[in-house]
Amino acid sequence: QQQVKQSPQSLIVQKGGISIINCAYENTAFDYFPWYQQFPGKGPALLIAIRPDVSEKKEGRFTISFNKSAKQFSLHIMDSQPGDSATYFCAPNTGFQKLVFGTGTRLLVSP
Amino acid sequence: DGGITQSPKYLFRKEGQNVTLSCEQNLNHDAMYWYRQDPGQGLRLIYYSQIVNDFQKGDIAEGYSVSREKKESFPLTVTSAQKNPTAFYLCASSIDGANNQPQHFGDGTRLSIL
Repeated sequence: QQQVKQSPQSLIVQKGGISIINCAYENTAFDYFPWYQQFPGKGPALLIAIRPDVSEKKEGRFTISFNKSAKQFSLHIMDSQPGDSATYFCAPNTGFQKLVFGTGTRLLVSP
Repeated sequence: DGGITQSPKYLFRKEGQNVTLSCEQNLNHDAMYWYRQDPGQGLRLIYYSQIVNDFQKGDIAEGYSVSREKKESFPLTVTSAQKNPTAFYLCASSIDGANNQPQHFGDGTRLSIL
């Protein structure tokens, strides 16, 4: 069975700090690596995604770093803001969009 | 505004009762999905549909049924056979189910047992 391990489970960061969330996977067939952001009572929304042919992708304050050999990818949130407080899921997949979600990381950015 | 509408927002089920959760999208997407989310866990796929009149079981389909008679609608029925139905149910859609396309989610239905 496909395994996706996400860490940490929860994270508290001060405003302006860097938040780092990691995702480790087993299935080497995965070829699309997205991160979703979910606010309480809402559905997840795509935040940023990467293909395995690049090692890093940056969009504003959000960066994905991808390590194919280690089968890991991570989300970095620079200059973290209270509005970033949410739950973040990695959801690697392949072929038809059958996403395999990590267990989630609850981020709290303190003012 | 294009998006996915799930209704109702809250739903209560009595023992032995079937309930149906509604999901409607006006994004003109071919593919639609149902997920279940339990506290502190990731999303698990119940059913998905790539095209009208076709759907496939996901990882946890037992106790659930779906239909896809119209492109914009993908209702989920939670049957009495589902012994632990209390959860947050999320519907999603994507353009055509191919890789590298984001899934767009509704705001969910929270189902509880009376």
